Amino acid sequence: LAKTTQPISMDSYEGQEVNITCSHNNIATNDYITWYQQFPSQGPRFIIQGYKTKVTNEVASLFIPADRKSSTLSLPRVSLSDTAVYYCLVGSTSGTYKYIFGTGTRLKVLA
Amino acid sequence: NAGVTQTPKFQVLKTGQSMTLQCAQDMNHEYMSWYRQDPGMGLRLIHYSVGAGITDQGEVPNGYNVSRSTTEDFPLRLLSAAPSQTSVYFCASSSRGTGNTIYFGEGSWLTVV
Repeated sequence: LAKTTQPISMDSYEGQEVNITCSHNNIATNDYITWYQQFPSQGPRFIIQGYKTKVTNEVASLFIPADRKSSTLSLPRVSLSDTAVYYCLVGSTSGTYKYIFGTGTRLKVLA
Repeated sequence: NAGVTQTPKFQVLKTGQSMTLQCAQDMNHEYMSWYRQDPGMGLRLIHYSVGAGITDQGEVPNGYNVSRSTTEDFPLRLLSAAPSQTSVYFCASSSRGTGNTIYFGEGSWLTVV
């Protein structure tokens, strides 16, 4: 299982782009990288998933360098409603399915 | 489209009591798990299952039991509740077909007094 390391917290202002980096030095060949968002009093929800290079969807982009030892979640033009905890998770469906979450990054968006 | 359903949403227990948190998913996912989340903290894996009849321990399994008799259901049993088990409990499921995309329930808030 690839252990992940993220910054504990980040502050940003509305309208700015936010980049949250996750380190996963022991990532395995079959591992995907998935990011989740959690609002207070709710379960985490899927944001984006990738294996290599860049993935973009309607809410975020995920950048993964060639060595895949880190990944960066990019949130364009954040708003107050993006205040949440963001988790990166590394795992594979050919592995043990023992999905261990890291501490997550607490993002606070300021007006 | 129910997804992952947890019951009860809120529960207060006295120390030493036992109870079962129910979890059901209607997505035919083979993988299910239970996490606990203490206030201001991250998610910690309690137990997980890769299919009916197969369960295994996570990071913090002590004080909890699980069973997986069907694909749909994965109940979590607290054997003898302790104040240290006061937490929010999340059930989750996923499938090989979705990579490691995990779908979470809405949580069960448990207070042990």
